[in-house]
Amino acid sequence: AAGVIQSPRHLIKEKRETATLKCYPIPRHDTVYWYQQGPGQDPQFLISFYEKMQSDKGSIPDRFSAQQFSDYHSELNMSSLELGDSALYFCASTLGLAVDSYNEQFFGPGTRLTVL
Amino acid sequence: SQQGEEDPQALSIQEGENATMNCSYKTSINNLQWYRQNSGRGLVHLILIRSNEREKHSGRLRVTLDTSKKSSSLLITASRAADTASYFCATAMDSNYQLIWGAGTKLIIKP
Repeated sequence: AAGVIQSPRHLIKEKRETATLKCYPIPRHDTVYWYQQGPGQDPQFLISFYEKMQSDKGSIPDRFSAQQFSDYHSELNMSSLELGDSALYFCASTLGLAVDSYNEQFFGPGTRLTVL
Repeated sequence: SQQGEEDPQALSIQEGENATMNCSYKTSINNLQWYRQNSGRGLVHLILIRSNEREKHSGRLRVTLDTSKKSSSLLITASRAADTASYFCATAMDSNYQLIWGAGTKLIIKP
């Protein structure tokens, strides 16, 4: 079965550069979540989108922005990268927000971002 | 503060033994999920238990949920070296659908 796809899997950038991470949800899933996991830390929720609209926002820096496109894929844009942005960035998808409140989030393999 | 808190933080057992990890949370939830993460790898969804369920099985995994105590346990029976990983619990709350994560339990299975 198709899973959540993230690209690239690995990304190396220098300080002050920009990075774009992409997430392709499971087919028919319309909700996407982004998480950041620093070394040795638990995942932190960044932002989520439902039907191409931002549905919730967590501890996401102002330097980061994200959007969901008409095909439901999402992109996380990070500018003015800092060393502390080095982390695993996970994307997860679910089908819908309402009605069924027991939706499971299916995670992609993550993008490992290293800022030098 | 963290929604999910797991204990122990680290657990080291012999292969073949059972491993039990616990998770506590603070607010009402819709469901609680357990994930595994191998070192430097992505999160893998293991099992979801709904707030109206008390116990659930999947292969060698057994999950319990006690909503009165706001706690859950994950039991891995007949552990294998390949079970070595960090295990996270995550809760989905009533009013939103983002997952709130615990800090994880690092499980080491000694051959």
